[in-house]
Amino acid sequence: EIVLTQSPGTLSLSPGERATLSCRASQSVCNSYLAWYQQKPGQPPRLLIYGASSRATGIPDRISGSGSGTDFTLIISRLEPEDFAVYYCQQYCNSPYTFGQGTKLEIK
Amino acid sequence: QVQLQESGPGLVKASETLSLTCDVSGGSVGSGSFYWSWIRQPPGKGLEWIGYIHYTGTINYNPSLKSRITISTDTSKNQFSLKLTSVTAADTAIYYCARVFLWFGASKGYFDYWGQGILVTVSS
Repeated sequence: EIVLTQSPGTLSLSPGERATLSCRASQSVCNSYLAWYQQKPGQPPRLLIYGASSRATGIPDRISGSGSGTDFTLIISRLEPEDFAVYYCQQYCNSPYTFGQGTKLEIK
Repeated sequence: QVQLQESGPGLVKASETLSLTCDVSGGSVGSGSFYWSWIRQPPGKGLEWIGYIHYTGTINYNPSLKSRITISTDTSKNQFSLKLTSVTAADTAIYYCARVFLWFGASKGYFDYWGQGILVTVSS
């Protein structure tokens, strides 16, 4: 099973700042089969990024993903109020599909 | 626009069977391009993939739950279902159904559409 470890656990930033979220895998994620999701309270997760770097439909270009192998990054270049939420990475390279434990992005 | 909606009892007694259904609209469970999946989230915690099914019968379950789960499809009703047997308090969670988009036709994919989720509480 691929274990995904996200850091930091909580990130406190202000609107307009840049957010960098990390996701590290316990073994290589084949073909960069890694996705990122955003979850707000009381809502289901929302797909942001797939294939490590491809934005899902409707996702603004200030949100970007990068990485390969075991190290992946989600960057939000200029934080908007609606970006404060919990973010999860997920690998779909191997079964069982697994998620990271999440990074909470909170307003400073 | 694809929409998924979970339904089922919100309260299940310990040792009994949890049964949920996901109704799909705006898309077809019988489409070869997708898997249909269940994911759960204990209150205040992270996400756990339960399993997925393809309308052809291809199934993949999380080994941690494999002995207790059954996922099935009903293409005539455009829905898929989850059964989880012998539930305990540890199975209390929000249960989501989701579509798995099979990227480039591969047998692997990511969750592109999610239902709103249904909270299932296991009572003793």
